[in-house]
Order: sequence, then C-alpha cells, then structure tokens
Amino acid sequence: GAGVSQSPSNKVTEKGKDVELRCDPISGHTALYWYRQSLGQGLEFLIYFQGNSAPDKSGLPSDRFSAERTGGSVSTLTIQRTQQEDSAVYLCASSLYRGNTGELFFGEGSRLTVL
Amino acid sequence: RKEVEQDPGPFNVPEGATVAFNCTYSNSASQSFFWYRQDCRKEPKLLMSVYSSGNEDGRFTAQLNRASQYISLLIRDSKLSDSATYLCVPVGGSQGNLIFGKGTKLSVKP
Repeated sequence: GAGVSQSPSNKVTEKGKDVELRCDPISGHTALYWYRQSLGQGLEFLIYFQGNSAPDKSGLPSDRFSAERTGGSVSTLTIQRTQQEDSAVYLCASSLYRGNTGELFFGEGSRLTVL
Repeated sequence: RKEVEQDPGPFNVPEGATVAFNCTYSNSASQSFFWYRQDCRKEPKLLMSVYSSGNEDGRFTAQLNRASQYISLLIRDSKLSDSATYLCVPVGGSQGNLIFGKGTKLSVKP
C-alpha cells in the first residue's frame, strides 16, 4: 500500500514484558513522528525523526521508551518492562518535507494493552 | 499557558447548523496551522491548512488571528458525517515536535 503501515495493529502483553512497535512510512518521506493516544485523550508527542536522527526526544515518557529509525525508513518504538499505564494507541506519522510542515500522514496505529 | 488549547466540547448541533470553534496557541513564532479531523477510533487526517490569514474549502473556513494567537474553524451547513474530533496544530515555532491540541469533539444530530 501507499500509506503509513504500522504493526502489530493490536498487542496484548503482560506487565513487565518488552514490546516492539513498527512503523513503515510512506516511501520518500524524510520525517517520522510517534504519538501516543490514551482512550478519550489527545495526541501525546513522543519522538520525531529527521532521516535516521532524532533531534527531539523530549516527549519520551521515561527511559523505558526508546525508538530508532534505520535506512531513513522503518522505525521501531520499543517499550521495556511495560506498565499498565502504557496501554494506549501508538500512532506513527510521516511527512515528505524536512522538519515541521504539519502535513502528516498517519498510520492506523498499534493498540497496546498491558494486563 | 499550554502550547495549544482547544475547548474539548462536545459541541452538539443539529444538521444544517453553523458551528465554530477556536484553537489558541502560545508560540508567536508559529508560521502555519493545520486542522486535522479524527473519527472515533481512527487515525487523524488532514482537513485543511492555514498559511496566511485564512482558508476556505467548501463548507469549511479557517481563520487566523495572529494578534490574539488563535485560529478558528467554521463549519457551515453541518452534516451528520461532520461528527468527529477536530485537532489543530501550529507549525514552525519549534524544532520539529508537532504539538497537537487535545481536540474539539463535534456531534451533529439529525
């Protein structure tokens, strides 16, 4: 498909386990964003990539969260030792242009449930 | 002051009504603004962009007031299908982190 692809679409895990969420952006898009959305809440900014580098990691909630991007394409968000408060939908978005143009294309999200 | 503020609503309006809601922003360096629409349990999708004083697209009009640091979204002749949450995001004032407002929920009733 031509859109942003995220996997898994749903993930149920036990407290304390590690999870990896994957985002495959639109081909050629240089900027990639991760957001978290808890039920009934707004979008919480997590991290932003320009190419493979992350100029802004300020939104990561704790050191249990990390993200990487390789080859200027696929990105992985890793949550270690998951907690129940990590339960949310994790949304990935990509943008064609460098930096903050605002025209983001979102994936359908990965719904994480921590039991 | 929060970076981006929106009235969460819900705004409950009848079909055919005109409704408007605002989004205030704190960073005066913001250059452009975007409205996104998010349907229940779906991802946000771009509705319209505002680069200068305003923009109009069919029933939707966005206006920017730089002096008071807010943007508004006006929807005329509301349709049932307009029911959604509307998110705003100012762009250009920061280094790349795009901070969305928490959204305004609109419910259009028959």
